[in-house]
Amino acid sequence: EAGVAQSPRYKIIEKRQSVAFWCNPISGHATLYWYQQILGQGPKLLIQFQNNGVVDDSQLPKDRFSAERLKGVDSTLKIQPAKLEDSAVYLCASSLGLDYYEQYFGPGTRLTVT
Amino acid sequence: GDSVTQMEGPVTLSEEAFLTINCTYTATGYPSLFWYVQYPGEGLQLLLKATKADDKGSNKGFEATYRKETTSFHLEKGSVQVSDSAVYFCALSVVSNDYKLSFGAGTTVTVRA
Repeated sequence: EAGVAQSPRYKIIEKRQSVAFWCNPISGHATLYWYQQILGQGPKLLIQFQNNGVVDDSQLPKDRFSAERLKGVDSTLKIQPAKLEDSAVYLCASSLGLDYYEQYFGPGTRLTVT
Repeated sequence: GDSVTQMEGPVTLSEEAFLTINCTYTATGYPSLFWYVQYPGEGLQLLLKATKADDKGSNKGFEATYRKETTSFHLEKGSVQVSDSAVYFCALSVVSNDYKLSFGAGTTVTVRA
């Protein structure tokens, strides 16, 4: 069974530029999560989708971050414009559904904002 | 709110040494508890879990017991290997919060040959 795929693996941009990350969850997983992991900290949930609907985006900085999950499969997370403090690893995870506690994580995208 | 506090690192050990990483939690409901491991350059992998009090999760020689009375879920391994070098995260989720994970800050473990 293929795992959670993410791309790109690494990205370096200048502040005020925009960037987008892509995630393809495990086939059949209805719930998709985006986490931000700042160096030295645990992952922090940014947004949670159930199929193509948003369940929780309370921690998403909506003035610069946006995310979508069209057709309830792939998802894209965008930052525009980026700030220095957005430098982090962005992790995507998926699970079978809201009633399933086990989440499967992708390898992450390491973003460096200079 | 729900939170996890885990032992600060980094931790450096010699091969075959005993490893303990402390983890305590605060939760509004009845949480499920997890240890995730992140090897260099990789994503998080679920190492073990426990869903009710006194449950013991185990995997790859690691163990952790869900202690409700002390709100703890300490990770242990009796004899570590170089390949155990990684960052270890304690986490919890509660059904009332749609099983969203709350993570500790992580503990970096380095095992020297």
